[in-house]
Amino acid sequence: EAQVTQNPRYLITVTGKKLTVTCSQNMNHEYMSWYRQDPGLGLRQIYYSMNVEVTDKGDVPEGYKVSRKEKRNFPLILESPSPNQTSLYFCASSLEGNSNQPQHFGDGTRLSIL
Amino acid sequence: AQTVTQSQPEMSVQEAETVTLSCTYDTSENNYYLFWYKQPPSRQMILVIRQEAYKQQNATENRFSVNFQKAAKSFSLKISDSQLGDTAMYFCAFTQPWMGGNKLVFGAGTILRVKS
Repeated sequence: EAQVTQNPRYLITVTGKKLTVTCSQNMNHEYMSWYRQDPGLGLRQIYYSMNVEVTDKGDVPEGYKVSRKEKRNFPLILESPSPNQTSLYFCASSLEGNSNQPQHFGDGTRLSIL
Repeated sequence: AQTVTQSQPEMSVQEAETVTLSCTYDTSENNYYLFWYKQPPSRQMILVIRQEAYKQQNATENRFSVNFQKAAKSFSLKISDSQLGDTAMYFCAFTQPWMGGNKLVFGAGTILRVKS
């Protein structure tokens, strides 16, 4: 089954404690993105990757890091989380090329930073 | 910068009736794509319908259809014969070729409640 898998689905942690949210897709997609969803703001892109070792900033990259060492995986790293990073996070993937390709979303990670 | 505006934070509709959700967007480009996503309480992001800007014909998917007005930069979603399972947050989204890894620009969302 084609899917994007995020882990964990829920995480409560404290300020400053490094954490990683994993994302894996099994569709051999070139493009992957991370979004955060906040009330009244919709979803906003944090970082994206167009292939292995090719990553770039989205609209709200401050406080986040990513890596793309393998095509299927695109982890989101919070080196020193702060309360303003409390949010719902989504990983998405799509085929390279025309942007009418449908995005496949993971089921989301609810992150709470105390 | 491209923006998407959904002016209705919340809406409600009786089961079996029709409801229209509004969306406007801003871009100077001529080639782009528009989408409506549904997010039920399970938090999944489900693609409802999509529209290519170069197509004049409005997209339809079963009970879901859009009214795409390119000159007015308007992209509304009509849900016919509303069902309880349509209760969800609905997001309008925009993208254009080669924009940030197929980046989607989302509106703030509209919460739709279908009442029995």
